[in-house]
Amino acid sequence: EPEVTQTPSHQVTQMGQEVILRCVPISNHLYFYWYRQILGQKVEFLVSFYNNEISEKSEIFDDQFSVERPDGSNFTLKIRSTKLEDSAMYFCASSSTGNTEAFFGQGTRLTVV
Amino acid sequence: RKEVEQDPGPFNVPEGATVAFNCTYSNSASQSFFWYRQDCRKEPKLLMSVYSSGNEDGRFTAQLNRASQYISLLIRDSKLSDSATYLCVVGSNDYKLSFGAGTTVTVRA
Repeated sequence: EPEVTQTPSHQVTQMGQEVILRCVPISNHLYFYWYRQILGQKVEFLVSFYNNEISEKSEIFDDQFSVERPDGSNFTLKIRSTKLEDSAMYFCASSSTGNTEAFFGQGTRLTVV
Repeated sequence: RKEVEQDPGPFNVPEGATVAFNCTYSNSASQSFFWYRQDCRKEPKLLMSVYSSGNEDGRFTAQLNRASQYISLLIRDSKLSDSATYLCVVGSNDYKLSFGAGTTVTVRA
């Protein structure tokens, strides 16, 4: 069964460092998303990406965040200068069309120290 | 007002019981509706889509009431493995899914 894969599963980084979280969406999907979930809190939308550009982004997705689809398979989330409050589980998701169910990767747990 | 609101629970039920809970959404233009399940520290997994006519998948029944802007999930004959957090998810447009905070269900032996 096709699945969304994310690497690494866990990343520890020092405050102020840049991190790149990687995702391989399901191969025939066209819509890509990043969500995050701070421990004990709800899943929050960060950004969606379609047709090689950002479709929508939330207030959380400020200038410190960027996304890229560098080739035909990977979808990355970069945080330029991490803060302690960026510590969370980051989920990548993809869907075949807009307005349909999204399938989630297993997440990257980011810990900023 | 929150985009998607859920009763957080917890709902603590014995095996074999029926449990039901609702979710409300604020955007009347919302177009798609789902229930996801999330186990502790895992990714959300699609449980079922919710259609206007209501739909059933085995022991799970979902209903959508557009006029009152709520969605419901009913679980019949609860199993221990149904213990999880159930996330109400609403698609406001093609590019964004909004999540409720989740309803925790614990099924006890």
